[in-house]
Amino acid sequence: DARVTQTPRHKVTEMGQEVTMRCQPILGHNTVFWYRQTMMQGLELLAYFRNRAPLDDSGMPKDRFSAEMPDATLATLKIQPSEPRDSAVYFCASGFITDGFASTDTQYFGPGTRLTVL
Amino acid sequence: EDKVVQSPLSLVVHEGDTVTLNCSYEVTNFRSLLWYKQEKKAPTFLFMLTSSGIEKKSGRLSSILDKKELSSILNITATQTGDSAIYLCAVGLPGGGNKLTFGTGTQLKVEL
Repeated sequence: DARVTQTPRHKVTEMGQEVTMRCQPILGHNTVFWYRQTMMQGLELLAYFRNRAPLDDSGMPKDRFSAEMPDATLATLKIQPSEPRDSAVYFCASGFITDGFASTDTQYFGPGTRLTVL
Repeated sequence: EDKVVQSPLSLVVHEGDTVTLNCSYEVTNFRSLLWYKQEKKAPTFLFMLTSSGIEKKSGRLSSILDKKELSSILNITATQTGDSAIYLCAVGLPGGGNKLTFGTGTQLKVEL
């Protein structure tokens, strides 16, 4: 069955290193979201794309985070340089969402990337 | 600032009990309210509500939206240990991609 996939599932790195997380949305979905989840802050929206175009990245620290969708089957979230406070689980979610009344807002989440920055 | 508040923050019940989880919201524009269940992994979708007063049901779970009170409840009857999870409420906002604003969740533990 169709699922959102994310790689890697776990990543341990040292402060200052670059981290790239990848997401493959469900085929046919037009909207992709990146979230970060921590115990303290819960789920936070970092950025999202509609039809590969970035719509909002106001949730991301711009100086170190970047998100792209090089094609319809791949979304990336990059952190450079990484810091210990970036340690969290990063989720990608996708959905088929339009502005129309009949649209569903349902987002399907990937398994997440658990990032630990030492 | 848009806000979604869930209560209680955590709850411990015994198998067979019925539980009611609450979600209230303060948003500038409302489009939909969604419930998700999160066990140890990613959130999984339960319900989407857009109209007041219409109950959605799936097995032992049901949910209803009250737009006048800006709130929703999620009911679980005859709870089982497999219902133990964090239940997340999210509000969908119109325009520009329909992003979701999430509450912090209610942690439910069902004991034998």
